[in-house]
Amino acid sequence: AQSVTQLDSHVSVSEGTPVLLRCNYSSSYSPSLFWYVQHPNKGLQLLLKYTSAATLVKGINGFEAEFKKSETSFHLTKPSAHMSDAAEYFCVVSGTRKLIWGLGTSLAVNP
Amino acid sequence: NAGVTQTPKFRILKIGQSMTLQCTQDMNHNYMYWYRQDPGMGLKLIYYSVGAGITDKGEVPNGYNVSRSTTEDFPLRLELAAPSQTSVYFCASSYLPGPPGDEQYFGPGTRLTVT
Repeated sequence: AQSVTQLDSHVSVSEGTPVLLRCNYSSSYSPSLFWYVQHPNKGLQLLLKYTSAATLVKGINGFEAEFKKSETSFHLTKPSAHMSDAAEYFCVVSGTRKLIWGLGTSLAVNP
Repeated sequence: NAGVTQTPKFRILKIGQSMTLQCTQDMNHNYMYWYRQDPGMGLKLIYYSVGAGITDKGEVPNGYNVSRSTTEDFPLRLELAAPSQTSVYFCASSYLPGPPGDEQYFGPGTRLTVT
């Protein structure tokens, strides 16, 4: 069975500092992995996805994630946080006929 | 393309009332999904459909019903609304599910309050 764990429910960074949002997954086969972002009172938008091509995946707005099979991780990073990055971030793993969603990490960016 | 559209955007229901949340996609996607999102929580899958005429339960189907008579439409029916169904409801669609995996496209959501 597939599962996903977001290791931090809340992360706070200062503007201009790096962002790290952690995600571990469990899958009985080679998974597809996604990061989605949800800004306050908005819908969900795909940030990036991994589908067994390059292990370092680049997404929108300067975000990237690295698939590490040995660590079963898919952490999301950004070199320099911007105020507009404040949002809820969801790590997602593909399951059988559906996606398995993490509980989300709330990112706060302080001026 | 409009993508995934949902109506209404907001609704207040009284306990025991019924309503249908509408969802339409114009991307010719086979797979469609209904999620609910409670405050501070992730998404929970209510029902999904793998094509016209085929639906299946997700994690939290109780109190809801769905139908899929066309590829485009996937309405969610709430019967006998209860306060526990106060939530934001998202409809999504995808061309393919599972590995190699495909992204889901989301509608803007319906904010439902049951009082």
